[in-house]
Amino acid sequence: GEDVEQSLFLSVREGDSSVINCTYTDSSSTYLYWYKQEPGAGLQLLTYIFSNMDMKQDQRLTVLLNKKDKHLSLRIADTQTGDSAIYFCAERGVNNDMRFGAGTRLTVKP
Amino acid sequence: NAGVMQNPRHLVRRRGQEARLRCSPMKGHSHVYWYRQLPEEGLKFMVYLQKENIIDESGMPKERFSAEFPKEGPSILRIQQVVRGDSAAYFCASSDNNHRGQGSGNTIYFGEGSWLTVV
Repeated sequence: GEDVEQSLFLSVREGDSSVINCTYTDSSSTYLYWYKQEPGAGLQLLTYIFSNMDMKQDQRLTVLLNKKDKHLSLRIADTQTGDSAIYFCAERGVNNDMRFGAGTRLTVKP
Repeated sequence: NAGVMQNPRHLVRRRGQEARLRCSPMKGHSHVYWYRQLPEEGLKFMVYLQKENIIDESGMPKERFSAEFPKEGPSILRIQQVVRGDSAAYFCASSDNNHRGQGSGNTIYFGEGSWLTVV
């Protein structure tokens, strides 16, 4: 199976919060990342968290890490239509390799 | 400060031809990664290179695909005798070598991708 798993779709209304979840399998992961991909474009780094942290907040984004359960989440507050995109979770191992999930397609409805 | 530069952005090849995708990492970055994204799918790791060395090619198909990162010039992902199933977006990413520092984040930066279409 996949090393990193995400649900494929999420739909929210504008102004609501979005929570995108991710599970990973490599307990030795050093960093975990969230990337955003808009149609026809590359991946834009949104935020990352070091594995010894359990939370990181950056403006509308909140990352929660449960290392015991190998669960990572990204919360987007006050979701806007411009947040509609695919969101990728990624883990980085000690060997410097990065593994991505399949991506969660977020749709924001007005 | 230019980011990761990939070219061509779009490439069309007939079955059996060769495709060459180029990637210039960010200035100061010596680590390059190639990923493939099939339509409606996530990113799949292909290969990780440092200058003149292939570090991890566990995601590379056994045949027709090769990658290099020479001492001078961009990294090249080469696909020989392309087939329709090779149609995908190929993303290059780069990072610096300070990956063991706790404060660095050692962020990987992505290029805009090269979209290969095999007809």
